[in-house]
Amino acid sequence: QVQLQESGPGLVKPSETLSLTCTVSGGSISSYYWSWIRQPPGKGLEWIGYIYYSGSTNYNPSLKSRVTISVDTSKNQFSLKLSSVTAADAAVYYCASHIGGLAAAGLDFWGQGILVTVSS
Amino acid sequence: DIVMTQSPDSLAVSLGERATINCKSSQSVLYTSNNKNYLTWYQQKPGQPPKLLIYWASTRESGVPDRFSGSGSGTDFTLTISSLQAEDVAVYYCQQYYSIPITFGQGTRLEIK
Repeated sequence: QVQLQESGPGLVKPSETLSLTCTVSGGSISSYYWSWIRQPPGKGLEWIGYIYYSGSTNYNPSLKSRVTISVDTSKNQFSLKLSSVTAADAAVYYCASHIGGLAAAGLDFWGQGILVTVSS
Repeated sequence: DIVMTQSPDSLAVSLGERATINCKSSQSVLYTSNNKNYLTWYQQKPGQPPKLLIYWASTRESGVPDRFSGSGSGTDFTLTISSLQAEDVAVYYCQQYYSIPITFGQGTRLEIK
């Protein structure tokens, strides 16, 4: 069974870049789509964007100007960079896989999430 | 963006009773070429990531108890728990993947009465 694990700094300063990595185990990152989702404490879920193992991406227009998602198939990892962060970007960040290798699909496997705080 | 609106925001149901959560999309999420509704339901317990329950609006994920069922088409969808168990206390979210951006409902908190 596929397992995902987020990693990265839990504290980022305002105006700096948030950088997270999702490591996929128990399966190959190839031939699948992978998403990042975030959830501010006590609030709902917001989709950030997805990447295909080939490197093609699709982002939430509300974040597109600040988001970069990349993939490293040799390490079975994909990554998120969010620039110019503010307090509004504080959230638990999740990585997840798309069902059946489809872009337009629900999300079947999720990481446990990583809490990112934005503070100087 | 497709706006997903769930009702109610919170719900209290007695153990063994039926729980019904509704989700309405601001436009149809039925893809007519394959007759599939691009709609998913998740369950989220405190401190845990969301868990996939239902996809294509009515297909139960492997391992999900059969007391969970999804129905609906087009813009109106329902998640039904036929006989509420204590472990079903959670927040439930619907999600559309018909168009970008993928969007979620605001969540429905389900509690025991």
